[in-house]
Amino acid sequence: GQNIDQPTEMTATEGAIVQINCTYQTSGFNGLFWYQQHAGEAPTFLSYNVLDGLEEKGRFSSFLSRSKGYSYLLLKELQMKDSASYLCAVPNTGGFKTIFGAGTRLFVKA
Amino acid sequence: SQTIHQWPATLVQPVGSPLSLECTVEGTSNPNLYWYRQAAGRGLQLLFYSVGIGQISSEVPQNLSASRPQDRQFILSSKKLLLSDSGFYLCAWSNGVRDYGYTFGSGTRLTVV
Repeated sequence: GQNIDQPTEMTATEGAIVQINCTYQTSGFNGLFWYQQHAGEAPTFLSYNVLDGLEEKGRFSSFLSRSKGYSYLLLKELQMKDSASYLCAVPNTGGFKTIFGAGTRLFVKA
Repeated sequence: SQTIHQWPATLVQPVGSPLSLECTVEGTSNPNLYWYRQAAGRGLQLLFYSVGIGQISSEVPQNLSASRPQDRQFILSSKKLLLSDSGFYLCAWSNGVRDYGYTFGSGTRLTVV
């Protein structure tokens, strides 16, 4: 089966850096996704990691360690608009079904 | 470019009433289509997915059903709504999860009263 764990909430200050962790258990690995979801809106795709290491995309970076079943999303130079939920997700081996974590609600304060 | 439309945006329905939510995708062919539900403060729960016309896989036994009458149309239905059916319903499509992840519709907030 598959299981995903993320912290429920985090608070950070505008301009700072925050790291959101995700641990997962899956019977077969087919990559890991991060999505951003603002309150009342649909999730939007942020990143996809299938190989170990850090992938950087502007202010956002995502890291993966397959041997540890671990990923993190790194947000730099935080802005107020980054206040949102961040969802970690892993597709099943066939790729047709993706299991989402409950999400981490990030509050950015001035 | 590809777009996904989902309607209605908001719905308030009495217990025991029927439900029909519709989702259509434009600009692509033979997409994988999904229905997810998100309860307040919770993660996304996969309800149904479809890899082709008439092909529906159900993930959670419940009083909901899904149909795919056309290649780019996905419908979520219920004959009799329960209070527990309240939530945020999201339709999504993909043409290869590995490369692009999912693109979600704008969602339907359903409140069963």
